[in-house]
Amino acid sequence: AQSVTQLDSQVPVFEEAPVELRCNYSSSVSVYLFWYVQYPNQGLQLLLKYLSGSTLVKGINGFEAEFNKSQTSFHLRKPSVHISDTAEYFCAVSVPNTDKLIFGTGTRLQVFP
Amino acid sequence: DGGITQSPKYLFRKEGQNVTLSCEQNLNHDAMYWYRQDPGQGLRLIYYSQIVNDFQKGDIAEGYSVSREKKESFPLTVTSAQKNPTAFYLCASSMWQGLDEQYFGPGTRLTVT
Repeated sequence: AQSVTQLDSQVPVFEEAPVELRCNYSSSVSVYLFWYVQYPNQGLQLLLKYLSGSTLVKGINGFEAEFNKSQTSFHLRKPSVHISDTAEYFCAVSVPNTDKLIFGTGTRLQVFP
Repeated sequence: DGGITQSPKYLFRKEGQNVTLSCEQNLNHDAMYWYRQDPGQGLRLIYYSQIVNDFQKGDIAEGYSVSREKKESFPLTVTSAQKNPTAFYLCASSMWQGLDEQYFGPGTRLTVT
């Protein structure tokens, strides 16, 4: 079975500082990996996804993530955050040959001026 | 514009009443999903459907029911058997086989008192 762990429930950071949101997964088979963002009282929006190929994936709003198979990680990074990046971020893995996603518990990014 | 609509945005019900949440998509997606979101628990899958007239239970299906009579519609009924129905409910859709991202609606916040 697949599982996703987001180690940090909250990450406070000052504006223009770099940030890393951590995601580790567990799976006995290859998976696809996703990062979603959720602004307050809204649905989720895809930031980026890793299906295959280059392990460094670039997404929207200046975010990127790196797939590390040996460490089973897919950490999300941004070199300089804005106030508008304040939101909840979810890491997810897909279950092969199904249409299901398994989500982590989320990391709340709070950007301070 | 293509997308997913959920209505209403906020819903209030008395304990013991069934309530149906609407989800409509015009993306021509085959698969549709219902998730429940509670603080600190991420998203949990309630039901999903890959084709019309077929659906499968997710991880927390007890106390919920769904139907998929049309490709674009996937309503969720929260029955009186659901012991803790107050939550934020998200509907999503995708093309196929986990290769495509899931697109999310704006959500319905259900409060049962």
